[in-house]
Amino acid sequence: QQQVKQSPQSLIVQKGGISIINCAYENTAFDYFPWYQQFPGKGPALLIAIRPDVSEKKEGRFTISFNKSAKQFSLHIMDSQPGDSATYFCAATGGGNKLTFGGGTRVLVKP
Amino acid sequence: DAGVIQSPRHEVTEMGQEVTLRCKPISGHNSLFWYRQTMMRGLELLIYFNNNVPIDDSGMPEDRFSAKMPNASFSTLKIQPSEPRDSAVYFCASSLGSGSDTIYFGEGSWLTVV
Repeated sequence: QQQVKQSPQSLIVQKGGISIINCAYENTAFDYFPWYQQFPGKGPALLIAIRPDVSEKKEGRFTISFNKSAKQFSLHIMDSQPGDSATYFCAATGGGNKLTFGGGTRVLVKP
Repeated sequence: DAGVIQSPRHEVTEMGQEVTLRCKPISGHNSLFWYRQTMMRGLELLIYFNNNVPIDDSGMPEDRFSAKMPNASFSTLKIQPSEPRDSAVYFCASSLGSGSDTIYFGEGSWLTVV
């Protein structure tokens, strides 16, 4: 049962471009939506997170956009750099620590 | 802080053997999680503990899998007997404990069952 659907599975972007990853969820009880970044051979690490009481959160080059009515949220990576090449996971949880992860998006930033 | 420490980092074992994965959470964290990552199924939560007590083990695939947390600084995930389909990366993670606390992952234990 996949409660968080993530797309695309992979994307290639030129250096300086914008990477956009989308997620959709079904469970209306979800109230915390983090994004994790994972480099090869490493564990996922928290990148940025949002709660549904705001529609957007920005941290440096990373922005989450949240649409509560559509039950969708997205990650935008502005001015993408080769060092951003990684796998990105959206996740969601409600009322506890049980994170449900999306399927992941492998991002490759070409120099 | 040393972060979440897992061992072994890599293990290759034969089908039918017992496998024990170990985890030391970040000191002071009250919640501990075991995740499994595969290409086919992505990141799956197997079990999580709060204050050393198992809270939700609904993700444990079957009786061959068991997890324990005898104290606040140590947890094990055991597979007995192991099967080739158990090959995956197993992550341990910990957090302070509330709903929006950051979950910190270890670097994973890469298991191959041949």
